Amino acid sequence: EVQLVESGGTLVQPGGSLRLSCAVSGITLSSYEMNWVRQAPGKGLEWVSHLSISGDSVYQEDSVKGRFTISRDDAKNSLYLQMNSLRAEDTAVYYCVADAGPVGGFDIWGQGTMVTVSS
Amino acid sequence: DIQLTQSPSFLSASVGDRVTITCRASQGISHYLAWYQQKPGKAPKLLIYSASTLHHGVPSRFSGSASGTEFTLTISSLQPEDFATYYCQQLNSYPRVSFGQGTKLEIK
Repeated sequence: EVQLVESGGTLVQPGGSLRLSCAVSGITLSSYEMNWVRQAPGKGLEWVSHLSISGDSVYQEDSVKGRFTISRDDAKNSLYLQMNSLRAEDTAVYYCVADAGPVGGFDIWGQGTMVTVSS
Repeated sequence: DIQLTQSPSFLSASVGDRVTITCRASQGISHYLAWYQQKPGKAPKLLIYSASTLHHGVPSRFSGSASGTEFTLTISSLQPEDFATYYCQQLNSYPRVSFGQGTKLEIK
């Protein structure tokens, strides 16, 4: 069974940092294009960041550029999102998602982890 | 940036009804459109990709179609488990994808 399990979400003060983790089982992480997608409370879905299969191409949504970094550890089969200079508007559930490319869509989702940025 | 506009934003319907949700793209996106279903407190689930291809395990009462920049998700006969929020997603600018604002389908 394929599972993506996020962790690391918590309450953090504005300007603080946090690292989210996504432990992957049932598939080899390095064989998939990976993403982080977030959803603010009561709001819609927003794509945040993408890491290519090769691991050397990274894409980010404009509002997180220079603040968030996506990475992976193949030995641990885990995906990460390092989040710095956090703002109130970053408050959301963060989902780890494996995609099947532009044709196949975002087909494997984790259960999400909640990040709250507040003083 | 490609914008997706879903209509309606809220939809009230009864079990057994046929419902249609529309997603309009601000520019051409070919067939690079997916539909997702999300229930409260849960992660979204992929329903349809490439505008009209049913993801494995998705009931055949769900279908998708495209005409130019307008895409539709149709549920032929609503079941109790179908009441949820539905999102469209464009992948034409992959990996920089974007989602519609969502359509909440409620029980009448």
